[in-house]
Amino acid sequence: NAGVTQTPKFRVLKTGQSMTLLCAQDMNHEYMYWYRQDPGMGLRLIHYSVGEGTTAKGEVPDGYNVSRLKKQNFLLGLESAAPSQTSVYFCASSYFPARNGYTFGSGTRLTVV
Amino acid sequence: TQLLEQSPQFLSIQEGENLTVYCNSSSVFSSLQWYRQEPGEGPVLLVTVVTGGEVKKLKRLTFQFGDARKDSSLHITAAQPGDTGLYLCAGVRGSQGNLIFGKGTKLSVKP
Repeated sequence: NAGVTQTPKFRVLKTGQSMTLLCAQDMNHEYMYWYRQDPGMGLRLIHYSVGEGTTAKGEVPDGYNVSRLKKQNFLLGLESAAPSQTSVYFCASSYFPARNGYTFGSGTRLTVV
Repeated sequence: TQLLEQSPQFLSIQEGENLTVYCNSSSVFSSLQWYRQEPGEGPVLLVTVVTGGEVKKLKRLTFQFGDARKDSSLHITAAQPGDTGLYLCAGVRGSQGNLIFGKGTKLSVKP
């Protein structure tokens, strides 16, 4: 049981480049989330999904887009990367968030130069 | 405005000592969760507390949810180096259960 898998684990982008972060879960969870974690700022929600084909904005959605075409996958896209998007990105999924909490991936460390 | 305030931000102690970490808010949460995060990894759920006044124990860790469901504490007895990590509290709000995280307490336990 792999849980939540994020790819890639590390990436360096130049300003203006685009990329997609992939999150895959094999637990049949309905809920999926993308967070970014920055020193002194904690975990901040970027976008989330409550089921296949649905997405919603979180606390810091600007500069990011997401898609949930399949239940098991949640993609995070950066169309034109900026240095302010340098961060560690975490994907999480859940069956029943209020009781069972989230299962997190191991993160993607992104540097934009 | 940070909805969940954790204190202290940093804590460095010797093996065998006891410690308490606090998570406070002016808002009421339907439940509150504690996670531990090790370097290079994602947070891992330790416990969920749901009822005001609830106390849960996980080996040497004791979690308490405040009577008014606005605050929580984590107490570690006889800390060990393996307890080292970032401890995060997260409050559940809304019908969809989105979590709001505190900034965390970074604990270092020295042998």
